[in-house]
Amino acid sequence: GAGVSQSPSNKVTEKGKDVELRCDPISGHTALYWYRQSLGQGLEFLIYFQGNSAPDKSGLPSDRFSAERTGGSVSTLTIQRTQQEDSAVYLCASRGESGANVLTFGAGSRLTVL
Amino acid sequence: AQSVTQLGSHVSVSEGALVLLRCNYSSSVPPYLFWYVQYPNQGLQLLLKYTTGATLVKGINGFEAEFKKSETSFHLTKPSAHMSDAAEYFCAVSDRAGGFKTIFGAGTRLFVKA
Repeated sequence: GAGVSQSPSNKVTEKGKDVELRCDPISGHTALYWYRQSLGQGLEFLIYFQGNSAPDKSGLPSDRFSAERTGGSVSTLTIQRTQQEDSAVYLCASRGESGANVLTFGAGSRLTVL
Repeated sequence: AQSVTQLGSHVSVSEGALVLLRCNYSSSVPPYLFWYVQYPNQGLQLLLKYTTGATLVKGINGFEAEFKKSETSFHLTKPSAHMSDAAEYFCAVSDRAGGFKTIFGAGTRLFVKA
């Protein structure tokens, strides 16, 4: 597609429920990133996929968080047993092989855990 | 591991005044450095980037930044602030040692007073 697409744009869930957030990167982009943006916390790195390499999961805050990328394209971020502190905007970005490592961001998925 | 420190979570300037947003980075190898901007209710977009070569880089909307290796800094400046510059600004670093994972600072919110 022309840009990075994320869905849902807004998600309200109850504490303890599982949620899935989806990211469709720009076609042909080999790298995909997930970040979390909380009020006053900046952009927190979560996970990074690069081609067929093992993902860099060093930013995932707990084992309740996981992500996968199928077929080198679409990615899903899953949060199990959501907690109120998981409330944030989850941003996805992708990067192509050229372009000096510039990221293109999606509009984000705003998660609210009640 | 790479890291980014942005000094000042909030900066307020008068319209027409100099804008200076500070960024210091840590990287074990030559870094790629970026400034991204997030206007109210909009997604993140690239403002400017440094990869190699000239250390003074120019971006959109009259912004520029200078890479100073000796100071490990990449401060963002604009000679004359405009009301439309009010936004949140993020400094970011990426390098080969980190597999080109991009790490962001906590962000600086710029307020412009009339």
